[in-house]
Amino acid sequence: SQQGEEDPQALSIQEGENATMNCSYKTSINNLQWYRQNSGRGLVHLILIRSNEREKHSGRLRVTLDTSKKSSSLLITASRAADTASYFCATDRGSTLGRLYFGRGTQLTVWP
Amino acid sequence: DGGITQSPKYLFRKEGQNVTLSCEQNLNHDAMYWYRQDPGQGLRLIYYSQIVNDFQKGDIAEGYSVSREKKESFPLTVTSAQKNPTAFYLCASSIVPGGNQPQHFGDGTRLSIL
Repeated sequence: SQQGEEDPQALSIQEGENATMNCSYKTSINNLQWYRQNSGRGLVHLILIRSNEREKHSGRLRVTLDTSKKSSSLLITASRAADTASYFCATDRGSTLGRLYFGRGTQLTVWP
Repeated sequence: DGGITQSPKYLFRKEGQNVTLSCEQNLNHDAMYWYRQDPGQGLRLIYYSQIVNDFQKGDIAEGYSVSREKKESFPLTVTSAQKNPTAFYLCASSIVPGGNQPQHFGDGTRLSIL
């Protein structure tokens, strides 16, 4: 079953605007990761945030984590057409089995 | 350059046929994973291997088999018992097993039924 539930399922914005995607999950976690997938390609790791962290930045990406609400958000600032992709969150469900559980993803379209 | 190579990029299966998808990594990673992705869906774990000569079933292992005889290779066989094999298959690896490790992905194999 899917662990993360991203919303919205689809998001369309203009270049230069900010894009915010959300991920909710049901169980406790040790870590949460965000990935990007361009059409027809494999996933690319973006950011990992641990359960004791509240915010992380990487370039134009900002990830927040609220464990009390069991949710995370991914913010992409000053979006570019090249940011068009699907974005997935993944958690470990607090397990040490060594696997991840992925959500269904948000399809982001950035129009030039 | 280090990375994960999946082959072939496209594969067609006839009824009753087994097909094998290749996954090779030169990242010296211990853990490897196979996922299935259906249109508009997230990734579902088929099998994963934390170390050579060991592997565990994921959430949808029925109709699939794997082997891990070498650290760099984790082939997936889609057997005739898998009645709905049409999907995008992704292989991934991580330096060690664990939810605190980023996974590195290949570019997938798209499998269709003839």
